[in-house]
Amino acid sequence: AQSVSQHNHHVILSEAASLELGCNYSYGGTVNLFWYVQYPGQHLQLLLKYFSGDPLVKGIKGFEAEFIKSKFSFNLRKPSVQWSDTAEYFCAVNFAGKSTFGDGTTLTVKP
Amino acid sequence: GAGVSQSPSNKVTEKGKDVELRCDPISGHTALYWYRQSLGQGLEFLIYFQGNSAPDKSGLPSDRFSAERTGGSVSTLTIQRTQQEDSAVYLCASSLTGQDFRGQYFGPGTRLTVT
Repeated sequence: AQSVSQHNHHVILSEAASLELGCNYSYGGTVNLFWYVQYPGQHLQLLLKYFSGDPLVKGIKGFEAEFIKSKFSFNLRKPSVQWSDTAEYFCAVNFAGKSTFGDGTTLTVKP
Repeated sequence: GAGVSQSPSNKVTEKGKDVELRCDPISGHTALYWYRQSLGQGLEFLIYFQGNSAPDKSGLPSDRFSAERTGGSVSTLTIQRTQQEDSAVYLCASSLTGQDFRGQYFGPGTRLTVT
């Protein structure tokens, strides 16, 4: 069974700091990879996705993620975070219609 | 509709009662998913529908949980004889298809509290 591991449960940064959230998955076949974000009081929404091609994908609000197949990783990055990036971030893997989510990382950005 | 809707938004029920949770997916989306999110936990996959059929029911925690989808649209998740450990936020999501996957659109969730 596929599984997803997010290394950091809670990350606290100051504004303008760089961000990297780790995500590793266990499935060895072809998967689709996603990052979702849940801002306080809002729905989960898609941040970015990877299917094929360029392993560096760009999403909304300046976020990007890099797929490294050899490491089974799909880490999320942002060069300079803002207070409005405070949210919970979930990594997800989809195979044959079934999605498996990580436990989430809570990001707190201090102004 | 404009987005995925779920009802009720909040449900408080007594232990042992049955509850029904409803999900209206985005119009035209053939795939529909149910998840459960407990406090401080990630999303636990429950069931996935492609059209009206459920290729994957592996996440349903027990036989007290069941789900159906009719007309390729609305889905209901039923929990019989609720237990306190069923308390959680139940999320529904839909996507255009299950195989040609472009990401899921989530509803606001139903917060279930079993007293």
